[in-house]
Amino acid sequence: NAGVMQNPRHLVRRRGQEARLRCSPMKGHSHVYWYRQLPEEGLKFMVYLQKENIIDESGMPKERFSAEFPKEGPSILRIQQVVRGDSAAYFCASSPYNEQFFGPGTRLTVL
Amino acid sequence: GENVEQHPSTLSVQEGDSAVIKCTYSDSASNYFPWYKQELGKGPQLIIDIRSNVGEKKDQRIAVTLNKTAKHFSLHITETQPEDSAVYFCAAWGEGDSGGSNYKLTFGKGTLLTVNP
Repeated sequence: NAGVMQNPRHLVRRRGQEARLRCSPMKGHSHVYWYRQLPEEGLKFMVYLQKENIIDESGMPKERFSAEFPKEGPSILRIQQVVRGDSAAYFCASSPYNEQFFGPGTRLTVL
Repeated sequence: GENVEQHPSTLSVQEGDSAVIKCTYSDSASNYFPWYKQELGKGPQLIIDIRSNVGEKKDQRIAVTLNKTAKHFSLHITETQPEDSAVYFCAAWGEGDSGGSNYKLTFGKGTLLTVNP
């Protein structure tokens, strides 16, 4: 059973561009969580999704950020018009209920 | 919502010694407490977890204890090895620090463990 997969592993964007981060959960897991981690800091919850539904987006900035988990395909975290402050590691985790298994992360650098 | 405090923020031990990391939580309804190990450049890896219906759980050199009355839980690593060096995060499954009706994992800020050979 493959683990949680994320791509790309590293993403470089210039200010104002769009960043699109993908997460494929473990087989059989219907819950996906996205977290942001700044250097030497903990994991901050952003959004919780189930297939085709956003359950809790209370940790996600209301502007420029969006997330989806379609019926088919990976979950996508989309950041529009990126700014330097968006530079961070973004992790997704998949879960059958409350145990969460993390992917390797996408490290976003905004120039 | 849930608030998780983790101490210490850094811990340095000699190889073979034990290491203990402590966390406290605020939501008495929290019922699941995982610990994660994160190595440099990697995602957090679940190493052990405990549910609120037990007080202690062991897996080889690692153990977790839970005191529901005091609302704290601890990670114990015995016979530490250099490969145990990493950042360790505790978490609690509760209502979250941003409110809302959905339970979520709230993480401590992490402990950087260094095991010196």
